[in-house]
Amino acid sequence: EIMLTQSPGTLSVSPGERVTLSCRASQSVSSNLAWYQQKPGQAPRLLIYGASTRATAIPARFSGSGSGTEFTLTISNLQSEDFGVYYCQQYNHWPRSFGPGTKVDIK
Amino acid sequence: VQLQESGPGLVKSSQTLSLTCTVSGGSISSSGYYWNWIRQHPGKGLEWIGDISFSGYTYYNSSLKSRLTISADTSQNQFSLKLNSVTAADTAVYFCVRGIGQNWFDPWGQGTLVTVSS
Repeated sequence: EIMLTQSPGTLSVSPGERVTLSCRASQSVSSNLAWYQQKPGQAPRLLIYGASTRATAIPARFSGSGSGTEFTLTISNLQSEDFGVYYCQQYNHWPRSFGPGTKVDIK
Repeated sequence: VQLQESGPGLVKSSQTLSLTCTVSGGSISSSGYYWNWIRQHPGKGLEWIGDISFSGYTYYNSSLKSRLTISADTSQNQFSLKLNSVTAADTAVYFCVRGIGQNWFDPWGQGTLVTVSS
């Protein structure tokens, strides 16, 4: 099974800041990586697929990059509604797997 | 497309966990989509359980395969999960989710908490 490692585990930030989240795969997943946002008590929401393509209705302040084993999700000009847990997911290998998440909270 | 899970919130240990997902706003027979179950243990990360294709083929996580059945009822536009011989380790929020191909997941149902009691 492909292991995904996310860092940092928790990030405390202020609105307006730029945030960079990391996802590392135990072996190459090409560009077959997605990012999700989950708020307490809610289901995850797709943000990014194909490592860098924003999903429908996702604001431009969310951007993804990377390929192979190293990926980044960047949130520029963080808004109050962006706080939550962010998960990466690979779909290059079976079984599909998720990272443990990065929690973004208010400083 | 919207997905909604339904089923018992409490299951006794060693029994069978059964959940149904009702899909609205789209057909589960539409080409290119796969219908997934994903679970989240309390306070933990996400685990892909398995999926069923638009043509009825199933794919399971090998860690659960021996206890798992995913099926679909196209007449009701529903798909279902059955997990046998449950233990406390199966206590989780269970999500039904549409897969874009067998790739990323969108959208997700709201999730339903299933607690396994002894």
